[in-house]
Amino acid sequence: DTAVSQTPKYLVTQMGNDKSIKCEQNLGHDTMYWYKQDSKKFLKIMFSYNNKELIINETVPNRFSPKSPDKAHLNLHINSLELGDSAVYFCASSQDWVGGINIQYFGAGTRLSVL
Amino acid sequence: KNEVEQSPQNLTAQEGEFITINCSYSVGISALHWLQQHPGGGIVSLFMLSSGKKKHGRLIATINIQEKHSSLHITASHPRDSAVYICAGEYGNKLVFGAGTILRVKS
Repeated sequence: DTAVSQTPKYLVTQMGNDKSIKCEQNLGHDTMYWYKQDSKKFLKIMFSYNNKELIINETVPNRFSPKSPDKAHLNLHINSLELGDSAVYFCASSQDWVGGINIQYFGAGTRLSVL
Repeated sequence: KNEVEQSPQNLTAQEGEFITINCSYSVGISALHWLQQHPGGGIVSLFMLSSGKKKHGRLIATINIQEKHSSLHITASHPRDSAVYICAGEYGNKLVFGAGTILRVKS
């Protein structure tokens, strides 16, 4: 069983559309993250949730809205997609964040291409 | 400002060589993470350390708190080690990533 799974793996869409990326972890972890990796392979934190509560929101446009229905799921919804949103989005989870981040487990990534 | 810098940006080595990738960071980190991104895109955490040294197989990670510097070493490198290696500083409850080092090991 895949520990952190995200779908879809590839997403090609037109500017202005709304799309969602789903993430699920079966590790029993309390904390989940969304990262964006740009064309230069630079990773940056977008959001972090701990037990369904938002703990990090890193100056991300409000067109991006994370949703955590339970601590095993963290979905990312993007409204009004723009060309600059093209990137690879990674979901990750860790056991906890209180007292420091533990080892993170990453999903395989979703490559988003906005045309 | 929380910054993490890596060097070199690109590294090509012959199979069997000893490899070192460096990472420097600004004050305030509580731990330093090393990650590996495979050519297929998947990311794997290699190490998390806040002091001293850790070893896993042919990989060794060290950190010098006073100098705000960490190194990742690969002994007896192999073409399958070819990947992007990324260090990340843990600032509070978030990771700040370096730009990555693209390693290519030739046979």
